[in-house]
Amino acid sequence: QSALTQPRSVSGSPGQSVTISCTGISSDVGGYNYVSWYQQHPGKAPKLMIYDVSKRPSGVPDRFSGSKSANTASLTISGLQAEDEADYYCCSDAGTYVVFGGGTKLTVL
Amino acid sequence: EVQLLESGGGLVQPGGSLRLSCAASGFTFSGYLMSWVRQAPGKGLEWVSSISGSGSSTFYADSVKGRFTISRDNSKNTLNLQMDSLRAEDTAIYYCAKAIRGSSSESDYWGQGTLVTVSS
Repeated sequence: QSALTQPRSVSGSPGQSVTISCTGISSDVGGYNYVSWYQQHPGKAPKLMIYDVSKRPSGVPDRFSGSKSANTASLTISGLQAEDEADYYCCSDAGTYVVFGGGTKLTVL
Repeated sequence: EVQLLESGGGLVQPGGSLRLSCAASGFTFSGYLMSWVRQAPGKGLEWVSSISGSGSSTFYADSVKGRFTISRDNSKNTLNLQMDSLRAEDTAIYYCAKAIRGSSSESDYWGQGTLVTVSS
């Protein structure tokens, strides 16, 4: 049950695009299309942004998109806005357990 | 409106026990897998445990297996986490979370969390 690997931090200017990677193994990210992404602002509960690799819950802007290739999933945020500054966590089903990434701090410059 | 309200957190000594509860409303509780996810101070999210809608299947992280027990009361729309043999490393905010669909591990609603502090 090892954590998925995410970059500790990424940054971008307003209007730009950023991509956050999430690397696992064949028994989690690579083996299931149940990868989700959560946004967390300081002191707040996580918020679901992407599920099933690339689906957006209602209310999530289409600036947020997800994808997966082999054992690596990615979250892309286009048209960065100040309110996107937050921590982002990927998560994958792994059959009998669930595994999160270590989290990525997004800074909007 | 879906609401999840955790309770039961507090300060406990190492080796002690604590029981967390999560009161759910706004959805058909028995139809969804429910999970506990924790976050140590300044750290990332860690999945702790999940339970199927009927309660017949339970899943645990290796870090809590044998010490924590997840359960649910579908007649009261309540999710529980019995935590025994607590350790300092169990100190965290504990969130309950609802599956986005039936048995999915992905969670679309989260409570605000309850803080558990294990310290002497």
